[in-house]
Amino acid sequence: NAGVTQTPKFQVLKTGQSMTLQCAQDMNHEYMSWYRQDPGMGLRLIHYSVGAGITDQGEVPNGYNVSRSTTEDFPLRLLSAAPSQTSVYFCASSWVGSYPNEQFFGPGTRLTVL
Amino acid sequence: GQQVMQIPQYQHVQEGEDFTTYCNSSTTLSNIQWYKQRPGGHPVFLIQLVKSGEVKKQKRLTFQFGEAKKNSSLHITATQTTDVGTYFCADAGGTSYGKLTFGQGTILTVHP
Repeated sequence: NAGVTQTPKFQVLKTGQSMTLQCAQDMNHEYMSWYRQDPGMGLRLIHYSVGAGITDQGEVPNGYNVSRSTTEDFPLRLLSAAPSQTSVYFCASSWVGSYPNEQFFGPGTRLTVL
Repeated sequence: GQQVMQIPQYQHVQEGEDFTTYCNSSTTLSNIQWYKQRPGGHPVFLIQLVKSGEVKKQKRLTFQFGEAKKNSSLHITATQTTDVGTYFCADAGGTSYGKLTFGQGTILTVHP
């Protein structure tokens, strides 16, 4: 199993550009989520999904869109990039209702917006 | 929303010294998870605590969940250079899935 994969690993954007961060998992996890990590602030939840066709907002959703058309994929779209979106983005997945409810994280995408 | 405060933000220790990080909440935590993130890496699950007063051990790591379920701690005995990284606690907020609220993390540096 590849686990949780994310592409790209690094990305530099100019203000106003759009892009999609890809996330895929091959563990048949129902739950998938996106976090951003900024120094001194831990990880903050952007969007999450409990299954195909179901998404919901987390703590910091503004400026980001998601969709979940398949169980495996959960892309994160930046509509119009801003310097405040410079961050490290992690995708995570897990089963629903399992114990322990371990979250499996991808390797991350390091995004810089100029 | 639920806030989880974690202290200290930084901790520098000499190899062989002990280390503790604390996680506190003003409201009752449903269950607490702990993660470790190596420099340049991604968070990796360590453990989940559910019961009031629960204590779990993993080799040199001891995890505790407070009696009132409002605090938790991670203690490392006799640190090693391999313990370097950021340790996060996270509250699952009572969901059956993984909608986590993370603490700010404690960055541990171990000097050989």
